Amino acid sequence: QSALTQPASVSGSPGQAITISCSGTSTDVGGYQYVSWYQQHPGKVPKVLIYDVNKRPSGVSNRFSGSKSGNTASLTISGLQTEDEADYYCSSYTTSSPLVFGGGTKLTVL
Amino acid sequence: QMQLLQSGAGVKKPGASVKLSCTASGYPFTDFYIHWVRQAPGQGLEWMAKISPSGGTPSYAQIFKGRVSVTTEMSTSTVNMELSGLTSEDAAVYYCARGHYAGNLDYWGQGSLVAVSS
Repeated sequence: QSALTQPASVSGSPGQAITISCSGTSTDVGGYQYVSWYQQHPGKVPKVLIYDVNKRPSGVSNRFSGSKSGNTASLTISGLQTEDEADYYCSSYTTSSPLVFGGGTKLTVL
Repeated sequence: QMQLLQSGAGVKKPGASVKLSCTASGYPFTDFYIHWVRQAPGQGLEWMAKISPSGGTPSYAQIFKGRVSVTTEMSTSTVNMELSGLTSEDAAVYYCARGHYAGNLDYWGQGSLVAVSS
């Protein structure tokens, strides 16, 4: 099972909004409503930000939102803050292998 | 409070096996799946396996089939993951995480560092 495709890096300025894409196929992202997004700061454990495409766990800022169109899911971070600088990973349930992650995106807050 | 405590990290020789444990507390053990995810140095997250402590067959990523085994010890609320035939490419931090069958890994263990060296 190939990893989902994410941009290697994105950047933005404080206060701006950025979007990270996660491209898959009809056998993963496009076929199920089971996309999750994780944030990982250096040396830290991943933290779930979004699950089931667009649901936010209790305690996660509403600046984080998720969506999906066809085989591509997206994570949008609005009102960018310096503490948002981290690595972001998408994951999806798949037909062939129960779960697959994207390659990760490094977010730089300029 | 909810916790996943991992144990079993260390340095292993090429060809050896490693057994990692993940002990859950603070929630009904059988209500959630336990997933195993690894992260090689400087690399991304890689899903390995999952198991439902309430029963059923574990699921494994195709790339690890034949080398990985996940089991449950109900008496201690522990899930064990064993990876055999270690090579240098298996050097990574291994995480266990609580989740649902389709993902949503909401609590993670602290990670177990496995190094492979002769």
